Amino acid sequence: GENVEQHPSTLSVQEGDSAVIKCTYSDSASNYFPWYKQELGKRPQLIIDIRSNVGEKKDQRIAVTLNKTAKHFSLHITETQPEDSAVYFCAVPLERSQGNLIFGKGTKLSVKP
Amino acid sequence: EPEVTQTPSHQVTQMGQEVILRCVPISNHLYFYWYRQILGQKVEFLVSFYNNEISEKSEIFDDQFSVERPDGSNFTLKIRSTKLEDSAMYFCATMDSTSYNEQFFGPGTRLTVL
Repeated sequence: GENVEQHPSTLSVQEGDSAVIKCTYSDSASNYFPWYKQELGKRPQLIIDIRSNVGEKKDQRIAVTLNKTAKHFSLHITETQPEDSAVYFCAVPLERSQGNLIFGKGTKLSVKP
Repeated sequence: EPEVTQTPSHQVTQMGQEVILRCVPISNHLYFYWYRQILGQKVEFLVSFYNNEISEKSEIFDDQFSVERPDGSNFTLKIRSTKLEDSAMYFCATMDSTSYNEQFFGPGTRLTVL
């Protein structure tokens, strides 16, 4: 089955700095790569996703890059703000499924003002 | 913007009791999922449901679990005889047929088994 590894498990940055979180996956047929943000006690919320036909996607301060050859994708947050503090999860659909997501273990991002 | 809703927000039960967790999907969505998140851990897939039947289930989803969509709107997860280790946050997620893999999560039900 699909194996998703996420690093680092915790990340602390100063406000204004950039943050990068990386995920690796095992199934080379995977074609959809979402990132979810989860604030304490809240639901996971999709913040950005990328499909395998592109290598990078940006949405304001957030970007995702995909390297299909190396089977990894990364979340980039620039000009971090205290409200970016949360747990971020990458996910990959289970192969030959109807979208069942396999999540990484999460990265707790702390942005210090 | 339409949202997935779940009830109750928090359920406390005694070990061995049955619980039913409810989800109301976004109205035009066709694929439904249950996920579980033990406190401080990652989100884990339990089961997917499409066209009124289970599509796939994980090894967590054993004979104590069942799902159904009894009235065409609510999507329920039943745990027949709860165990201490079932304590977790349970999230319902739904997806429409045109946004393959983009899943929308409900706010979750926190289940506490005593």
